[in-house]
Parts: sequence; C-alpha cells; structure tokens
Amino acid sequence: DSGVTQTPKHLITATGQRVTLRCSPRSGDLSVYWYQQSLDQGLQFLIQYYNGEERAKGNILERFSAQQFPDLHSELNLSSLELGDSALYFCASSEGTANNEKLFFGSGTQLSVL
Amino acid sequence: AQKITQTQPGMFVQEKEAVTLDCTYDTSDQSYGLFWYKQPSSGEMIFLIYQGSYDEQNATEGRYSLNFQKARKSANLVISASQLGDSAMYFCAVTTTQGGSEKLVFGKGTKLTVNP
Repeated sequence: DSGVTQTPKHLITATGQRVTLRCSPRSGDLSVYWYQQSLDQGLQFLIQYYNGEERAKGNILERFSAQQFPDLHSELNLSSLELGDSALYFCASSEGTANNEKLFFGSGTQLSVL
Repeated sequence: AQKITQTQPGMFVQEKEAVTLDCTYDTSDQSYGLFWYKQPSSGEMIFLIYQGSYDEQNATEGRYSLNFQKARKSANLVISASQLGDSAMYFCAVTTTQGGSEKLVFGKGTKLTVNP
C-alpha cells in the first residue's frame, strides 16, 4: 500500500459528461501529480500541485482542470468527455518537488467513456 | 523536451536468470533523476530504484541494480535471479525541470515475462 488513495476505482460515463476524480496524498506529502495512462500514449504527465499551488503543467487539455485543497487532497475534473478520454488516471504524491524524490502512486481510477 | 526510449516492447527470461531492460534518455538538464517503476497486471505503479545524475556509484536495491552510463545517457535496469512475480510492465522515467519545478517523464515501458 503506497499510502495514496484514489477514488473511485472505476468510473463509467457517457460522452459529454463531467466527472471528478479524487486523490488523497500520503501523510506529510505536499506535492500531488496527475498522470493519464492509455495504450497509445503511455503515461502522460498532466499537472502537479505543491502545497495548494500549481507547480508544473503537462499535456493537460483545456477541458480538464485540477486543484489542491488546504487539506492537500486533490481533485481532477474532466468535462465534455470524449471517447478518447477513456484511460487509467493516476495520482501520485511526494514530499516536495526536488528531482530526487520518488513518487508514490495511487491505484488509479479507470475511466470508461461510452 | 525530455525523451525516454525503451526499445524493448517485450522481453522474456527464464526463472532464476538475470535480465537487462534498456532505457536511454535525452535531456539538457545538468541535474536530473532516473527512476524505474514496475506495473503488475493489477495496475499499481511500484517504485523500484533511483539514480541521481551526479551519483558515481550505480544504484542497487535488492535484486535490482541500475547500470548508469551518463555519457551514453543510458540507465538500464538489471534484475537478478528473476522470479515469476517479476512478470510486469517496467517503466523508465527521468525528472525534467520546467519553470523551476520538476516533473517525471516516463518511457513507453517494457513488458517482462518470466517463464518457469
């Protein structure tokens, strides 16, 4: 158990809908990262938050947004969903932002857009 | 932008033998970190080993070791005495600095199958 909690584990929805994925980092970790894993694109970095503020942005679509709350949990909002958004979404956390810190991953949310 | 190349989409190894999974990277950063993660069929991402770009010694963690060749920008993972439970996807990753903060960029992965 990595200590990172993601809910829900599975999500099935329809095109055009909006969903929210939730992540609780390990106790003491201030950084939260979101990744999208699909068969064709592999693991793609979406966005990082550190202590409530956005720190780095990757290939995140404008239809997607995220935030980190004062209690350090994070939410990833996906709107106007398309079939191609079906993927495994991972949240990861680390203590800080240094480049020698390993990321602890949650078990992921499997999103299926029908 | 950082690019991570794992040239072996699939690898097979006999139980108890050693196997090397290749990883090359392209970065302009002077300081960076190299990581290997394992993803079994259950889906979770498990940290295996870390190597800093300024570390002179190759990193080791139990049966895992990292063959780091900085000049060649190569960071191969060596698994000794393979076990059936080692069958999984293996991802190489490199930290990259963007706007003063670091993010982890992953390769496409190598699927390792350990045969009995």
